[in-house]
Amino acid sequence: NAGVTQTPKFRVLKTGQSMTLLCAQDMNHEYMYWYRQDPGMGLRLIHYSVGEGTTAKGEVPDGYNVSRLKKQNFLLGLESAAPSQTSVYFCANSYGALGKGGQPQHFGDGTRLSIL
Amino acid sequence: KNQVEQSPQSLIILEGKNCTLQCNYTVSPFSNLRWYKQDTGRGPVSLTIMTFSENTKSNGRYTATLDADTKQSSLHITASQLSDSASYICVVSSSGGSYIPTFGRGTSLIVHP
Repeated sequence: NAGVTQTPKFRVLKTGQSMTLLCAQDMNHEYMYWYRQDPGMGLRLIHYSVGEGTTAKGEVPDGYNVSRLKKQNFLLGLESAAPSQTSVYFCANSYGALGKGGQPQHFGDGTRLSIL
Repeated sequence: KNQVEQSPQSLIILEGKNCTLQCNYTVSPFSNLRWYKQDTGRGPVSLTIMTFSENTKSNGRYTATLDADTKQSSLHITASQLSDSASYICVVSSSGGSYIPTFGRGTSLIVHP
């Protein structure tokens, strides 16, 4: 039971290149999230999804796009990578809304992305 | 603006000792508060989740307390082990319908033998 799996684990890009980060879950949870974690800062929400076919913006959505075509997968895309997007990206899921009761949130182990 | 402040920023203790980490928040209306443990190079793992009516919750050697009146929480670690070396993150969610919880910056704990 892998839970939440992120691929790739590491990636180096050049400025202007594009790429897609994949998040896969085997927990059948409705809600999925993409965060970025930068040194000295708390995790910040990029985009999230409340179910298959839905996406919504979080705190820092600029420069990113997402898709949730299948319930088990949540993709994060960088259209034109910039050095400011160098970060560790975490995917997470939850059974229900985090603001409605004690829903646990499960995280993947992250993708370390460097933009040169 | 919703904020979560954690202290201390970093802490070094000897194996076997106890320690307490603090979390102050201004999130309103309050729904729940979570403590996560994040090992180096790994994703955060949930330790405890506390709702408004809960004052104390334990998970093994980890005990979290919540004072909703003063908007403070603490995470107490008993008889620390080397494996407790990690970052501990406090996260507060609002019941206002937002799906955006507020994350603290974490406390980095190092346990020395």
